[in-house]
Amino acid sequence: GENVEQHPSTLSVQEGDSAVIKCTYSDSASNYFPWYKQELGKGPQLIIDIRSNVGEKKDQRIAVTLNKTAKHFSLHITETQPEDSAVYFCAASEGSGGYQKVTFGIGTKLQVIP
Amino acid sequence: EPEVTQTPSHQVTQMGQEVILRCVPISNHLYFYWYRQILGQKVEFLVSFYNNEISEKSEIFDDQFSVERPDGSNFTLKIRSTKLEDSAMYFCASSEQPGLNTGELFFGEGSRLTVL
Repeated sequence: GENVEQHPSTLSVQEGDSAVIKCTYSDSASNYFPWYKQELGKGPQLIIDIRSNVGEKKDQRIAVTLNKTAKHFSLHITETQPEDSAVYFCAASEGSGGYQKVTFGIGTKLQVIP
Repeated sequence: EPEVTQTPSHQVTQMGQEVILRCVPISNHLYFYWYRQILGQKVEFLVSFYNNEISEKSEIFDDQFSVERPDGSNFTLKIRSTKLEDSAMYFCASSEQPGLNTGELFFGEGSRLTVL
């Protein structure tokens, strides 16, 4: 089955700096790579995703990159703000249509220091 | 905005007792899932459910677990005889009907299960 490795496990940055979280996956059949943000006491919420036919995607201060050959994908958050503090999970999925069986990474606890 | 709702938010039970966790998925979604997160660990897939049957399950989802969609709105996870190691946050999720290819899983806020 799929295995997703994620690092770092914790990350502290100064407000305004950038944060980068990196993940690798093992199953070359995976074709969908979502990133989730989990705030304390809440469920994971999708913040951005990328499909295997795309190398990069950006949404305001958040960007994801995907290197299919190396099976690497990364999350970049620029101009970090205190409200970005949360646990971020990368994930990989081999899904079709509406069905997604998502395999999560271990999570990265991001702390943005004001 | 439509959301997945879960009850209870926290349940404490004695080892060996049966527990039922309830979920109301988003109304037009057809795929339903349960995930589990043991404290400090990754979110793990338990089971997926479609068209009134299990479509996939993990090795964690053994005979003590069962899922059911008893009516048109609820989706339940039953743990027949709880063990200490079942203590975790259980997340329900749902995703859209086939063909839309959005891929997004919508998660509920979770039900924390504590087994004593």
